[in-house]
Amino acid sequence: DSGVTQTPKHLITATGQRVTLRCSPRSGDLSVYWYQQSLDQGLQFLIQYYNGEERAKGNILERFSAQQFPDLHSELNLSSLELGDSALYFCASSDGTSGGASETQYFGPGTRLLVL
Amino acid sequence: SQELEQSPQSLIVQEGKNLTINCTSSKTLYGLYWYKQKYGEGLIFLMMLQKGGEEKSHEKITAKLDEKKQQSSLHITASQPSHAGIYLCGEKAAGNKLTFGGGTRVLVKP
Repeated sequence: DSGVTQTPKHLITATGQRVTLRCSPRSGDLSVYWYQQSLDQGLQFLIQYYNGEERAKGNILERFSAQQFPDLHSELNLSSLELGDSALYFCASSDGTSGGASETQYFGPGTRLLVL
Repeated sequence: SQELEQSPQSLIVQEGKNLTINCTSSKTLYGLYWYKQKYGEGLIFLMMLQKGGEEKSHEKITAKLDEKKQQSSLHITASQPSHAGIYLCGEKAAGNKLTFGGGTRVLVKP
């Protein structure tokens, strides 16, 4: 158990809908990262938050947004869903204090999203 | 952005046999991470390598980073069914994001 929790574990919805994925980082971790894993694209970085502020952006669509709250939990909002958004969405956290190449990210169990 | 190439893409090994997975970059790696993912589940951190020539071991898994810091290998000795899963190498890029290789699927036959 990495200490990172994600809810829900599974989500089935229809095209055009909006969903919210939730992540609670490990105790004490200030940085939260969101990744998307799909069969054709592999594991791709979406966005990072550090202590409530956006720190880095990756291949995140405009239909997607995220935020990190004062209690450090994070939410990833996916709107106007398309069939191609079906994927595993992972949250990871790190302590955010050391920075650089040596800071390890610990991953949550993921949310499996299926868009029908 | 640099890409990480993993080989092989998949591997079937008899229980008790050794296996090796490779991760290659076209540029210098400044932080190389190995994770294991059980099918459809989260990633489990295995090891992180940073220095050229560095080698780390945990139980029956050994990871190495070459002197030029462009290639890493993950070696499993005397494989067991519990070693089955997808092994992913990841490189720490700007902004602390991880860029991953395509993964290596390992199946251990009892």
